[in-house]
Amino acid sequence: EAGVAQSPRYKIIEKRQSVAFWCNPISGHATLYWYQQILGQGPKLLIQFQNNGVVDDSQLPKDRFSAERLKGVDSTLKIQPAKLEDSAVYLCASSSRTSGRTWYFGPGTRLTVL
Amino acid sequence: AQSVTQPDIHITVSEGASLELRCNYSYGATPYLFWYVQSPGQGLQLLLKYFSGDTLVQGIKGFEAEFKRSQSSFNLRKPSVHWSDAAEYFCAVAPAGGNQFYFGTGTSLTVIP
Repeated sequence: EAGVAQSPRYKIIEKRQSVAFWCNPISGHATLYWYQQILGQGPKLLIQFQNNGVVDDSQLPKDRFSAERLKGVDSTLKIQPAKLEDSAVYLCASSSRTSGRTWYFGPGTRLTVL
Repeated sequence: AQSVTQPDIHITVSEGASLELRCNYSYGATPYLFWYVQSPGQGLQLLLKYFSGDTLVQGIKGFEAEFKRSQSSFNLRKPSVHWSDAAEYFCAVAPAGGNQFYFGTGTSLTVIP
């Protein structure tokens, strides 16, 4: 089966600009996650979707970050405006109760904010 | 508060020596437990996972981990480390019955010749 797809793989922007990341989970996976991994740290959960509803967005900086999963399939994470401290790898993951309790991670998008 | 802790930020071992990376969790019930490895610039690779049953779990690349309920720990071990094992290691937990998935802060492993 195809894995979790993410694009772009790399992005360089200047502070105060906007950026969007896209994730396509494994087909049929109801749960989708976005993580932020700052260099030298563990991935931090930003937001979790169950189908097209938000389960947990307690760690999402809502003044600048937004995410949607309108049709319960692919998802977009947006940052507007970006700050220097947003430089990180943004990981998307998906899971399904029928996938043997396995979480599948995408390759990530590496964001550099200058 | 629920959490997963990796007490060692950085560990250095000699090639051929044994390795143990620590992971402790704090959840009401035994969660699902995972170990991932991440080489520089690479994605996360699953080494092993524990859901239930035998508390000693075998993984890929010669790694194993032991679940100890009394200590709320899931430590990763390897009897003989290779230079290619140098990487960042993350413990992760998923509370049983839920869909949440949380990572520890990671342990950076350096292997010296």
